[in-house]
Amino acid sequence: AQSVTQLDSHVSVSEGTPVLLRCNYSSSYSPSLFWYVQHPNKGLQLLLKYTSAATLVKGINGFEAEFKKSETSFHLTKPSAHMSDAAEYFCVVSLGYIPTFGRGTSLIVHP
Amino acid sequence: DTGVSQDPRHKITKRGQNVTFRCDPISEHNRLYWYRQTLGQGPEFLTYFQNEAQLEKSRLLSDRFSAERPKGSFSTLEIQRTEQGDSAMYLCASSLPVDEQYFGPGTRLTVT
Repeated sequence: AQSVTQLDSHVSVSEGTPVLLRCNYSSSYSPSLFWYVQHPNKGLQLLLKYTSAATLVKGINGFEAEFKKSETSFHLTKPSAHMSDAAEYFCVVSLGYIPTFGRGTSLIVHP
Repeated sequence: DTGVSQDPRHKITKRGQNVTFRCDPISEHNRLYWYRQTLGQGPEFLTYFQNEAQLEKSRLLSDRFSAERPKGSFSTLEIQRTEQGDSAMYLCASSLPVDEQYFGPGTRLTVT
């Protein structure tokens, strides 16, 4: 069985400040973990993925995430938010071919 | 090939009617997935194909839902006797084995 919890439904930051989107997962075995972003009226886009290689994963647009097995966490970070980062972000855990999506975190970026 | 495409993008139907959605995956991808996404939720896995074989369909929401991928290329998702609760965004994704999924823009279904 697998599950994923995104700890915040909304995160609000000012442009230029750091971003932290939190994700905790539960899985019987070592899963693959992903972060996807969904901009309004656009399809889901992969930001980054963890598949048991390096625990710090770098993705597109300056995002990165760190896999912490002891904490069962896979938090998404970015050093400096940009207005274009405003979107819905989904943490995904996958064991085999059936992925489980979190409920999403809406990132709001203020000028 | 510019990515996963879905048709139609929007569908409005009356309760009780049947609807069919089409998904065209990225051409070299042999895996194809269908999801449903309701407002404020993440995508919910429905079913999965590897080539033309439907390997998982237990997550389909009811026996009114069915999917096909007859030649291992495009796929269709059919909902029979639609209900208002079927209103949602239906997403398709494709992938290579052991690789990330690429999503289409979705079909938004409204049942009146």
